[in-house]
Amino acid sequence: GENVEQHPSTLSVQEGDSAVIKCTYSDSASNYFPWYKQELGKRPQLIIDIRSNVGEKKDQRIAVTLNKTAKHFSLHITETQPEDSAVYFCAASNYGQNFVFGPGTRLSVLP
Amino acid sequence: ETGVTQTPRHLVMGMTNKKSLKCEQHLGHNAMYWYKQSAKKPLELMFVYSLEERVENNSVPSRFSPECPNSSHLFLHLHTLQPEDSALYLCASSQSRQAIHGYTFGSGTRLTVV
Repeated sequence: GENVEQHPSTLSVQEGDSAVIKCTYSDSASNYFPWYKQELGKRPQLIIDIRSNVGEKKDQRIAVTLNKTAKHFSLHITETQPEDSAVYFCAASNYGQNFVFGPGTRLSVLP
Repeated sequence: ETGVTQTPRHLVMGMTNKKSLKCEQHLGHNAMYWYKQSAKKPLELMFVYSLEERVENNSVPSRFSPECPNSSHLFLHLHTLQPEDSALYLCASSQSRQAIHGYTFGSGTRLTVV
């Protein structure tokens, strides 16, 4: 079955700097990769996703890149702000099968 | 509100109690899920319902019993739980089992077993 690893487990950056979180997956059949943000005491929310037919997707300060050959995908946040502080989860799935989530990265943006 | 509502938000129960968690979605989704979120662990899938039929049960102990009376409602019945069952229980839904647009999560029920 699929196995998703996520690094780092914690990340602290200065406000305005960039943050990068990386996930690797094991199942080459996986073709959908969402990222969720969970603020303290709140629900996980989908912030961006990428499908296997593209290599990169951007939405304002957030971007995701996918390397199918290496089986890894990364979340990039530029110009970080305090409200970006949260736990970020990656996931991998093959349509019709369950999402497998990474263990999460706790991002702290320091003022 | 994102359309997935969970009640109660917090629950404290003794090991001999019986309680139920409720999840309701108003998004017209056809698939619903129960996840367990424990500290420093990945989200653990517990149950999957698609079109009101249970399609997956991930080796969850029988002290957890799901129920899906219709496509909008999902319950998790709890009985004789253990302290290690204390966690955040998240409900999620998706348009279909394929979840090509991801999941929508509820806010969760924080369960403490004493």
